[in-house]
Amino acid sequence: KNQVEQSPQSLIILEGKNCTLQCNYTVSPFSNLRWYKQDTGRGPVSLTIMTFSENTKSNGRYTATLDADTKQSSLHITASQLSDSASYICVVSETAGTALIFGKGTTLSVSS
Amino acid sequence: DARVTQTPRHKVTEMGQEVTMRCQPILGHNTVFWYRQTMMQGLELLAYFRNRAPLDDSGMPKDRFSAEMPDATLATLKIQPSEPRDSAVYFCASVSGSSYNEQFFGPGTRLTVL
Repeated sequence: KNQVEQSPQSLIILEGKNCTLQCNYTVSPFSNLRWYKQDTGRGPVSLTIMTFSENTKSNGRYTATLDADTKQSSLHITASQLSDSASYICVVSETAGTALIFGKGTTLSVSS
Repeated sequence: DARVTQTPRHKVTEMGQEVTMRCQPILGHNTVFWYRQTMMQGLELLAYFRNRAPLDDSGMPKDRFSAEMPDATLATLKIQPSEPRDSAVYFCASVSGSSYNEQFFGPGTRLTVL
């Protein structure tokens, strides 16, 4: 069964610190992997999209990595800010390019 | 700037009532998705359309849910009759061209069925 597992479920860090969120998937065949940021009360916003051949992609202080062999991805946040407090959702797409399998997200709280 | 809009933003209704949620995709986007988000299940794909044609609605309870795209600027999701377990946030998202492209999500409709 196609699944996307994220860890940790929640995370609290101090402002200015770095953190890494994990995503493991069993989706096959694989098309691409996306990380979304969802602020409370809003829709998800795309941070990165990576295909099979891409190992890393950055978007400002966000860096996503992908290991298609082990079916793992991570999202690294550098020098966290209070505005980084949100839910981060990992989403994997099958080769057909239509069905999206969502992780349940990691809730990040950045405190001052 | 271009964005997906959804109405209503909040809806409280009683069990058994009909609920209609509307979505206006970004102009020019030809693929529209409906999602449901709950604390327990996270985001789930309900249905999606490409060029107004329904391509997949396997995630949708067929007996009470229906989704349509009357025209390229409007997508609707209807629940009849509604049940308390339908309480969730319903998101619409649109994308242009290839599904590799970024999906743009609307702000969601928070539905509460009493």
